Amino acid sequence: GAVVSQHPSRVICKSGTSVKIECRSLDFQATTMFWYRQFPKQSLMLMATSNEGSKATYEQGVEKDKFLINHASLTLSTLTVTSAHPEDSSFYICSVATGSQETQYFGPGTRLLVL
Amino acid sequence: QKEVEQNSGPLSVPEGAIASLNCTYSDRGSQSFFWYRQYSGKSPELIMSIYSNGDKEDGRFTAQLNKASQYVSLLIRDSQPSDSATYLCAVSSTNTGNQFYFGTGTSLTVIP
Repeated sequence: GAVVSQHPSRVICKSGTSVKIECRSLDFQATTMFWYRQFPKQSLMLMATSNEGSKATYEQGVEKDKFLINHASLTLSTLTVTSAHPEDSSFYICSVATGSQETQYFGPGTRLLVL
Repeated sequence: QKEVEQNSGPLSVPEGAIASLNCTYSDRGSQSFFWYRQYSGKSPELIMSIYSNGDKEDGRFTAQLNKASQYVSLLIRDSQPSDSATYLCAVSSTNTGNQFYFGTGTSLTVIP
């Protein structure tokens, strides 16, 4: 499998500020990374697919100007939540896909609380 | 709309029993099937993957796939309290760029 890290693991911020979350693929080069969001007692919701060297592909209903994704290298993708509001409070998880069947391996997640 | 359905539970089984988790999916073109375990407050971790009809065993876990009936199941033998978690079924297809479609998960509690 793949080893994925995220930083920070937990962040608390004030409403209106921006928060950057890093996702790193530690043991292989990932041309594609995925960003998910999970609200309490709900399943994972795919927000966007991050592509190294090109623009991210956002899912319907996800605001690309609010959730900025940068995938500048084969081991790092960042998600910036701009002008965060309390409704953005959630568990943000990234993943990488590897292998012939594109199995996804998840990072440990970042818990965001916007006050 | 690609749908993946799971019984949300909660499912409770006594320690040592077999836990049976089921998942159905709507897209007949689905090719890859995954079971993830998610402990409370943690991210999902891969337990099993299965791609062909039939059974696949890994330790106490057995995944079963029936593409004709469009269901995939996970059996956990000799259930342990540490198996208590939410189990997520995920389905993907090359037709949809290998995007994962997740079920809502089944909460399992193993009672000591």
